[in-house]
Amino acid sequence: SQWGEENLQALSIQEGEDVTMNCSYKTYTTVVHWYRQDSGRGPALIILIRSNEREKRSGRLRATLDTSSQSSSLSITAAQCEDTAVYFCATEFNYAQGLTFGLGTRVSVFP
Amino acid sequence: GPKVLQIPSHQIIDMGQMVTLNCDPVSNHLYFYWYKQILGQQMEFLVNFYNGKVMEKSKLFKDQFSVERPDGSYFTLKIQPTALEDSAVYFCASSLGLGGHTQYFGPGTRLLVL
Repeated sequence: SQWGEENLQALSIQEGEDVTMNCSYKTYTTVVHWYRQDSGRGPALIILIRSNEREKRSGRLRATLDTSSQSSSLSITAAQCEDTAVYFCATEFNYAQGLTFGLGTRVSVFP
Repeated sequence: GPKVLQIPSHQIIDMGQMVTLNCDPVSNHLYFYWYKQILGQQMEFLVNFYNGKVMEKSKLFKDQFSVERPDGSYFTLKIQPTALEDSAVYFCASSLGLGGHTQYFGPGTRLLVL
């Protein structure tokens, strides 16, 4: 889980493996953004899932959203070395307030 | 994809000095944001800006902070005076709209206050 007092999570996997990271949020949101951040760069949106969607796919990425439990997950299928990054979920508590980011999950993919 | 530029990439200044961080947002975007990220911690929202005005600011947006975008030029974050705890990476972002619109982030300005 990305919220709360946990430290940044870290996952190490081998190329070809699947990985799933979870995110729970505290307040109502209409959309969950998933961003990846490469070292030394700004976050980049990779998938966005709205409250009326339970699942969203984009290439090897799959996001789920469960509004009843206020949680979302991001899965990467057949991970590749270039998937190595920190992945953040972010929510919009109200439109004007910008995004609220989780702590992030550092994913390292090894050959 | 659309790019947000930030200048400078790094800045080192003495505590108490003024610093201005510059952001060149995506050209047709209307909403502009500043976020702060301390190493190893989560990205935190500072402020957003629309139509020449601050829309919303967080408790991190101290009185020493100000933002402006004069005549469609750079969107700037000014800190005057700076404090040690202002050391962080500051990210600018822009979006076309609110409510599920993608925010495009710049590469960040690494600010070190000594």
